[in-house]
Amino acid sequence: EIVMTQSPATLSVSPGERVTLSCRASQSVRNNLAWYQQKPGQAPRLLIIGASTRATGIPGRFSGSGSGTEFTLTISSLQSEDSAVYYCQQHNDWITFGGGTKVEIK
Amino acid sequence: QVQLAQSGAEVTEPGASVKVSCKASGYAFATYSIHWVRQAPGQRLEWMGWINPDNDNTKYSVKFQGRVTISRDTSASTAYMELSNLRSEDTAVYYCARDSGFLPLWGQGTLVTVSS
Repeated sequence: EIVMTQSPATLSVSPGERVTLSCRASQSVRNNLAWYQQKPGQAPRLLIIGASTRATGIPGRFSGSGSGTEFTLTISSLQSEDSAVYYCQQHNDWITFGGGTKVEIK
Repeated sequence: QVQLAQSGAEVTEPGASVKVSCKASGYAFATYSIHWVRQAPGQRLEWMGWINPDNDNTKYSVKFQGRVTISRDTSASTAYMELSNLRSEDTAVYYCARDSGFLPLWGQGTLVTVSS
């Protein structure tokens, strides 16, 4: 099983600041990597596919990068509605999720 | 409207089984596989298994092998996830999600509570 590790576990950021979240795979997943946003009481919402392509309707402030084993999700200017937990997910070898990064607004 | 609608919350006892349904609408059910993912309180998302509605092929996570059964009824455009021999640690929200490798479409989730 491919293990996905996210860091940091929690991030507290002021509105307007840039946010960078990391995701590492235990072995190469090529670019078969997606990012999700989950708010309390809601199902996950797909943000990024193919490591770097925004899903339909996702604002331009969200971007993804990386390939192989190292990936990054960047929020260029944090908005209050971005407070959530963010998960990475690989689908190169079935599916596994990272442990999530909780983004809090200062 | 393309959506996955799941059955309602369940409360059950240790040792029992639970069966959650996931009804697809707005698209051809057999075209996309369905995954089941669960989330215990405060925990990460956990993949349980997958079914291809077209040919009934299934694949289960090693963690749940032997306790989970995923099935489908193509005439009802519905997938099912049955988990047996329940324990308190199985208390979680169970989601179905439509497959494209990534998961663009999710059900609303079904809370399963295991308590004596």
